[in-house]
Amino acid sequence: DAGVTQSPTHLIKTRGQQVTLRCSPISGHKSVSWYQQVLGQGPQFIFQYYEKEERGRGNFPDRFSARQFPNYSSELNVNALLLGDSALYLCASSLTVSYLSGYGYTFGSGTRLTVV
Amino acid sequence: SQQGEEDPQALSIQEGENATMNCSYKTSINNLQWYRQNSGRGLVHLILIRSNEREKHSGRLRVTLDTSKKSSSLLITASRAADTASYFCATDRGSTLGRLYFGRGTQLTVWP
Repeated sequence: DAGVTQSPTHLIKTRGQQVTLRCSPISGHKSVSWYQQVLGQGPQFIFQYYEKEERGRGNFPDRFSARQFPNYSSELNVNALLLGDSALYLCASSLTVSYLSGYGYTFGSGTRLTVV
Repeated sequence: SQQGEEDPQALSIQEGENATMNCSYKTSINNLQWYRQNSGRGLVHLILIRSNEREKHSGRLRVTLDTSKKSSSLLITASRAADTASYFCATDRGSTLGRLYFGRGTQLTVWP
């Protein structure tokens, strides 16, 4: 079975531009979460979607938005890019919105975004 | 904001030695998880330990949890060069919504 797939793997954008990152969860997983990891830091939560509905949002500006499609894949959009948006963007999938069942998340390899 | 605080920030050992990493957190939790990350790539889930568990094993990994001290430790026995990676602890801050709060991580280097 394929794991969590993210595209593209690397991306270079100019300040002010917009970017769309994509994530395909593991087959059967209905929850997708997005995390931002700045170099030298741990990942920070951006969004969680379950059954196409937003279930949680981290402390990020409105320039960040996301959606989940009927096939449970997801897109993360960032508008008006700033230099500080340069980071590794990670997508994680899970069976349910809560991991109290005892299973951890499965993360993709991430998209490395560089804003110049 | 970061939840966990791993220490040490960096750990360097020889192959065959044991590696111990610690994590402290500030709030109540339902579960605590440990993840590994190789060279800025994706995170790999290692172990999840529930708040009512004190110790858990998986292969060469041993995780302990002390909720009274709000701390956890990850022990890797008989380390290998392939264990070189960053290790992160993550908690849920008591929420059941699945959002994870990560620490800054411990960079482990295992020398052949």
